[in-house]
Amino acid sequence: DVKVTQSSRYLVKRTGEKVFLECVQDMDHENMFWYRQDPGLGLRLIYFSYDVKMKEKGDIPEGYSVSREKKERFSLILESASTNQTSMYLCASSVGSLINYGYTFGSGTRLTVV
Amino acid sequence: EDQVTQSPEALRLQEGESSSLNCSYTVSGLRGLFWYRQDPGKGPEFLFTLYSAGEEKEKERLKATLTKKESFLHITAPKPEDSATYLCAVQAMDSNYQLIWGAGTKLIIKP
Repeated sequence: DVKVTQSSRYLVKRTGEKVFLECVQDMDHENMFWYRQDPGLGLRLIYFSYDVKMKEKGDIPEGYSVSREKKERFSLILESASTNQTSMYLCASSVGSLINYGYTFGSGTRLTVV
Repeated sequence: EDQVTQSPEALRLQEGESSSLNCSYTVSGLRGLFWYRQDPGKGPEFLFTLYSAGEEKEKERLKATLTKKESFLHITAPKPEDSATYLCAVQAMDSNYQLIWGAGTKLIIKP
């Protein structure tokens, strides 16, 4: 069964901490994405990567950075966590540019910044 | 501006009561329209991809249809386990990677 695995389901961090969210996929997908999901705002794209070491800003990149050193792994970094970054973070992957089978999502990381 | 609007925001049905969810879209050329199901505390799960007006896809009690301006997700004789949030997303012709997402419809099926 194909999978996107996010390292933590729940995370509590303090304001100002540097936070790493890890995502690994086992499908050999070229594209990987980081979204955040907030009630009433839906899914908002933070960053995506279409190849190793390649990254593109999404709609809300401020306060975040990403790293993709290997094809299967895409990391989201909160440089200095703030309370307004409390959210559900979803990682997804897809193959090529024709998303015939849509994205495959991980189970999400619910991050609370206190 | 490319946009996806889902309605209603929430829908409560009795078990067995059929209904439809709507996804209206404005995009400069449609490459594909996607339906997902999301259970509480989980990531969205892919259901269907539709590519052209008139296309239909079915899976168990769900049927998705597509016109030039909107898509419907028809739910026939739903069961409580169909309760979830249903998300719609579109890929524009000029986008290789990104989807534009609707806010979702929360469906509650009461036994």
